[in-house]
Amino acid sequence: QVQLVQSGSELKKPGASVKVSCKASGYTFTSYAMNWVRQAPGQGLEWMGWINTNTGNPTYAQGFTGRFVFSLDTSVSTAYLQISSLKAEDTAVYYCARELDIGTSCLDYWGQGTLVTVSS
Amino acid sequence: SYVLTQPPSVSVAPGQTARITCGGNNIGSKSVHWYQQKPGQAPVLVVYDDSDRPSGIPERFSGSNSGNTATLTISRVEAGDEADYYCQVWDSSSDPENVFGTGTKVTVL
Repeated sequence: QVQLVQSGSELKKPGASVKVSCKASGYTFTSYAMNWVRQAPGQGLEWMGWINTNTGNPTYAQGFTGRFVFSLDTSVSTAYLQISSLKAEDTAVYYCARELDIGTSCLDYWGQGTLVTVSS
Repeated sequence: SYVLTQPPSVSVAPGQTARITCGGNNIGSKSVHWYQQKPGQAPVLVVYDDSDRPSGIPERFSGSNSGNTATLTISRVEAGDEADYYCQVWDSSSDPENVFGTGTKVTVL
């Protein structure tokens, strides 16, 4: 069965960096794009962008350029989200989500989420 | 950028029908997906491409899309349907992006 398992919660100080992992299993990793979605405390879902798992080419949504980097390690079927120069407003749950089919935008499987807390 | 508007809350008695709207400019020309999110859990896809259901999702969940409004309908509502619901589309404008609705809290009375 398809599973996306994310790394555990992180507590970071402002200015630090964090790297969240998303390990996929139960399907061919490079056949489906991976999206990233942010959810701030008590707020709605916000799309951060996606990465083509076949080519490694990332696409970032407005507001997620510069400090946010999507990457892959296809040898272990894992996608990564790295955030640098963390700010308090980056405190949120970050989800990886598989795209049903490239171009459909439909996110059919989601990771369990990783809470990143930024606090001094 | 493209905006999707949902009512903040919908209340429904068990066994009744809940309708959650998602408003957007000419949304009928786009494919709409719906997600259910229970507290402390990841979202779950319940309807995709306006009206299709993933395997394992009860037939009680259905969707429609026309004009400027898409609708998720939950028939014979159960206590377990209490959750936040989000609509989502792909906006292929000058700066293509995935757009989520503002979310609707469904309360089962």
